Amino acid sequence: DAKTTQPNSMESNEEEPVHLPCNHSTISGTDYIHWYRQLPSQGPEYVIHGLTSNVNNRMASLAIAEDRKSSTLILHRATLRDAAVYYCILRGYSGAGSYQLTFGKGTKLSVIP
Amino acid sequence: DTGVSQDPRHKITKRGQNVTFRCDPISEHNRLYWYRQTLGQGPEFLTYFQNEAQLEKSRLLSDRFSAERPKGSFSTLEIQRTEQGDSAMYLCASSYMGGSNTEAFFGQGTRLTVV
Repeated sequence: DAKTTQPNSMESNEEEPVHLPCNHSTISGTDYIHWYRQLPSQGPEYVIHGLTSNVNNRMASLAIAEDRKSSTLILHRATLRDAAVYYCILRGYSGAGSYQLTFGKGTKLSVIP
Repeated sequence: DTGVSQDPRHKITKRGQNVTFRCDPISEHNRLYWYRQTLGQGPEFLTYFQNEAQLEKSRLLSDRFSAERPKGSFSTLEIQRTEQGDSAMYLCASSYMGGSNTEAFFGQGTRLTVV
């Protein structure tokens, strides 16, 4: 998987929107952009993924730049339960049909009451 | 189905002992992955199974590590002659057969402490 760059940490006030950026300038045409989050003492949890178009689901929205070299995860109203490490991952074929996820250090989101 | 289940949740062992962890994936998922996560780092890929076949192994998986998925259902990860550097969270994930647009479901992990 190609590499991504994310800020180490971000803060947000409760009930305000949060925009988590991710740069992936070496993305290939077949890489999907995935976001996972990991709450303390839990395994990672899938949030959202996309290829070219913006995506919405019940958890978040994903805005993808036209050139696909960056993306932004949007939490529309942060809650205390959204405090977690958020990972931006490019998922592509890695041989032998694996499609393994390559995690970086992610962005630690703190939500202030 | 309650998701991916891992057992035990915590394990403390003395250096040099062998340990075995179990992962029960979501029942219809063909793909099963093992990852390792140390403090402050993201999870690192260890190995991958498609049904019962182990198709990919990371260089992180030393000779002391072995993983099996005998009937294409549950999987075990064994660490022989544990070392203090093996202390980490061991995560299992499963996914349905598909490409890079499929999501992976993770268990809550087994936290290993080697003393």
